[in-house]
Amino acid sequence: DAGVTQSPTHLIKTRGQQVTLRCSPKSGHDTVSWYQQALGQGPQFIFQYYEEEERQRGNFPDRFSGHQFPNYSSELNVNALLLGDSALYLCASSLLGQGYNSPLHFGNGTRLTVT
Amino acid sequence: AQSVSQHNHHVILSEAASLELGCNYSYGGTVNLFWYVQYPGQHLQLLLKYFSGDPLVKGIKGFEAEFIKSKFSFNLRKPSVQWSDTAEYFCAAFMEYGNKLVFGAGTILRVKS
Repeated sequence: DAGVTQSPTHLIKTRGQQVTLRCSPKSGHDTVSWYQQALGQGPQFIFQYYEEEERQRGNFPDRFSGHQFPNYSSELNVNALLLGDSALYLCASSLLGQGYNSPLHFGNGTRLTVT
Repeated sequence: AQSVSQHNHHVILSEAASLELGCNYSYGGTVNLFWYVQYPGQHLQLLLKYFSGDPLVKGIKGFEAEFIKSKFSFNLRKPSVQWSDTAEYFCAAFMEYGNKLVFGAGTILRVKS
C-alpha cells in the first residue's frame, strides 16, 4: 500500500487538450510535490504545494499548473498538451514539520499518453 | 546547475554477485542524499538516506551506501544480490535546503537466477 493515491492510472489525450491529474497524500502528510518521469529518465520536479500555495517550481512552462485543497489533496493541470508531455506523472507527499528534507512518499503515478 | 548522475543505465548480475551502483552529484554545499528503488509495477520506495554523521549508511534489504564528500559520490552497494533485487534504482539529492528532490536517470538492475 503506497499511502499516496493517484488517479487515474492511465490516460490518453490528444494534442491541444487539457488534462487534470489527482493525488491524495499519505495520511498525516501536508505537502505534495509533483514530478514528471519521461521514458528512460529520472523524475523531474514540477512543483510543490503546501498550505494551498505553490512553494517552489521546477523548469516547467506555465501550461503546468496545480492546486492544493484544504484536505491536502492536490491536482495537476496541463493545458495545450504536446506530444512531449507524454510521461508518468508522480505525486509525492511529505510532512513539512519533519524538515525540508523529509523523505518523500510516492504514489504509483498516472501514465499520460498524448497522441 | 545542480544535477545527479548515475554511471550505468543497465546492469546485469547473477545471483550472489556483489553490487555497486555509482552516483555523483554536482553541488559544493549542503546535500542530503537518497537512494530510491522501483520494483516492477510498484511505486518508488526509499532504500536509504544520508543527512549527516557516519558516511556509511545502511538501508533496507541489506543495502548500504557510502557518502564520500571529496568525490561528490554516494554509491549504493550490496554484498550479494538476489533475484528479487531486480528493479530500477534512483539516486536523488536535496541540495542547499531546496524543496525539490533532484533525481539521477536511474539504473535498471536485472539479476539472473
